[in-house]
Amino acid sequence: DTGVSQNPRHKITKRGQNVTFRCDPISEHNRLYWYRQTLGQGPEFLTYFQNEAQLEKSRLLSDRFSAERPKGSFSTLEIQRTEQGDSAMYLCASRPTKGLAANTGELFFGEGSRLTVL
Amino acid sequence: QKEVEQNSGPLSVPEGAIASLNCTYSDRGSQSFFWYRQYSGKSPELIMFIYSNGDKEDGRFTAQLNKASQYVSLLIRDSQPSDSATYLCKMGNQFYFGTGTSLTVIP
Repeated sequence: DTGVSQNPRHKITKRGQNVTFRCDPISEHNRLYWYRQTLGQGPEFLTYFQNEAQLEKSRLLSDRFSAERPKGSFSTLEIQRTEQGDSAMYLCASRPTKGLAANTGELFFGEGSRLTVL
Repeated sequence: QKEVEQNSGPLSVPEGAIASLNCTYSDRGSQSFFWYRQYSGKSPELIMFIYSNGDKEDGRFTAQLNKASQYVSLLIRDSQPSDSATYLCKMGNQFYFGTGTSLTVIP
């Protein structure tokens, strides 16, 4: 499978705990995006990496959220001191900078990581 | 003001009818637009993109772009129950998606 891979697929945690999600983008896709999606809403942009550099971060992203992409390959999204309002699907997407898909701007999404905060 | 606004749903159409989904945007500099389809419980997948004013057809799907009026639409002809999903629009040079329009095609 050469698609975007996200782990874990489901996470149930208690309020106040920390959680970390991992995203492995498609090989050679140097652009990586994190989105959050709640029921009935479109994906909400969280942050964007080009290689290892975090180039854009949503104002909605509180300081409890941090994302890294240390070697320009996989990325992690950590949520500290989770709150019930953090319950959502966390989507990762990647995009190449070469080839046809680079020209179209298409984002390739993973299956998402669903977080439930009790 | 949100960058991308979609017509409110949900939208229900009978099988075989034309479904019309609309999106308006605020950034006049946007050059490309995308329509993604998202089935319940699944991730978004790209179904159409359009760069130029006018229509772009792909099978039963037609994307229409009007840069002067700043709107982009998606028409689905001969709607099928398998088209039932949420449709999301996105400007190519922005990070943000619209809120989505839920479409149900009734057999």
